[in-house]
Amino acid sequence: DAKTTQPTSMDCAEGRAANLPCNHSTISGNEYVYWYRQIHSQGPQYIIHGLKNNETNEMASLIITEDRKSSTLILPHATLRDTAVYYCIVRVVETSGSRLTFGEGTQLTVNP
Amino acid sequence: NAGVTQTPKFRILKIGQSMTLQCTQDMNHNYMYWYRQDPGMGLKLIYYSVGAGITDKGEVPNGYNVSRSTTEDFPLRLELAAPSQTSVYFCASSYSVESIEQYFGPGTRLTVT
Repeated sequence: DAKTTQPTSMDCAEGRAANLPCNHSTISGNEYVYWYRQIHSQGPQYIIHGLKNNETNEMASLIITEDRKSSTLILPHATLRDTAVYYCIVRVVETSGSRLTFGEGTQLTVNP
Repeated sequence: NAGVTQTPKFRILKIGQSMTLQCTQDMNHNYMYWYRQDPGMGLKLIYYSVGAGITDKGEVPNGYNVSRSTTEDFPLRLELAAPSQTSVYFCASSYSVESIEQYFGPGTRLTVT
């Protein structure tokens, strides 16, 4: 799976958009970009995923650059409950199982 | 559905003791996983299973054993606990290899002293 690079930490004001970047310059054509988050002391939670096109769901939007070497997770109106570690993961769907490789992620702190 | 449940929530072991971390899912998922998370780090895969009777090693399997006798249960066994196994352990499941989402349990915090 391709390696990802994320900033260690970010801050965001409550009610504003949080934009979390991720670099994955060695991504292959068949690798997806996934985002998970982990609120303190809880198990990780799936947020969104994409291959080439931008994606949006009820939690967030995912913007993938045309060359697919980087992406941005957007939380449009961050709340205090969005404070968490956000993991960007790039992986191929394997016949041996949907294994995820977690890096160290970005600690997002939403401030009142 | 309860989702993925794990027991116990917390445990303190002495060096050399053994224990089993329990994991159960009620979503009829074929794939199940065990991860460990050390302080300030991401999760690392210990073992995984693609169905009842089938298990395979992940990234950090040494010191652990697993079994998968039913679809619902995937226990993780520590035979001779060592301080290096102090960590938070997460169990997860997914429906199939095409599944986009893994569902995680609440974790077991283990301390070995």
